Amino acid sequence: GQQLNQSPQSMFIQEGEDVSMNCTSSSIFNTWLWYKQDPGEGPVLLIALYKAGELTSNGRLTAQFGITRKDSFLNISASIPSDVGIYFCAGPQGGKLVFGAGTILRVKS
Amino acid sequence: GAGVSQSPSNKVTEKGKDVELRCDPISGHTALYWYRQSLGQGLEFLIYFQGNSAPDKSGLPSDRFSAERTGGSVSTLTIQRTQQEDSAVYLCASSRLTLGARTGELFFGEGSRLTVL
Repeated sequence: GQQLNQSPQSMFIQEGEDVSMNCTSSSIFNTWLWYKQDPGEGPVLLIALYKAGELTSNGRLTAQFGITRKDSFLNISASIPSDVGIYFCAGPQGGKLVFGAGTILRVKS
Repeated sequence: GAGVSQSPSNKVTEKGKDVELRCDPISGHTALYWYRQSLGQGLEFLIYFQGNSAPDKSGLPSDRFSAERTGGSVSTLTIQRTQQEDSAVYLCASSRLTLGARTGELFFGEGSRLTVL
């Protein structure tokens, strides 16, 4: 099946810094989704992208659907301590979602 | 409640015992999904239901794993003769529709953490 490759695997950044992470696939996706998982919780949808080239914002988060449909990136501006967690990209495959391995974000306050 | 509910939240069992994990999806959600998350790992798909049928059970690791859904609502994931490698967080999610062009939002429960000693 299709695999989603996320990078970086983890990040340790200073509060207030901007963060960028991305997700690539060898196959085309028609939808890209970004989820965040807080410790001890289930993942929660942050942003959904449905159109190649689409740029979508949600507060301090901005995500883009790559023009080739094989990649997506997520930016977080002015990071704060509550941004810690695991960020997953995901895309539909058949009737299910497949997920990347995640980017672990740690923020130094 | 308004969200996906899973029970138990934590389960410690001995190797060789059977365990049942329960998921109560959001009311009205027709699709239900089970994923497994091992320590420090991503989300591994196990099975999904559309109504009471399971169109895709390709992710079940072995025949020790089974799942059912009744009444288009509650689902149970059963692991027989548990092994230590079964230790993980088992996440359930539901969605209003199966994934199509513009759906794709899965609502996850908090998970059931299984530890096999």
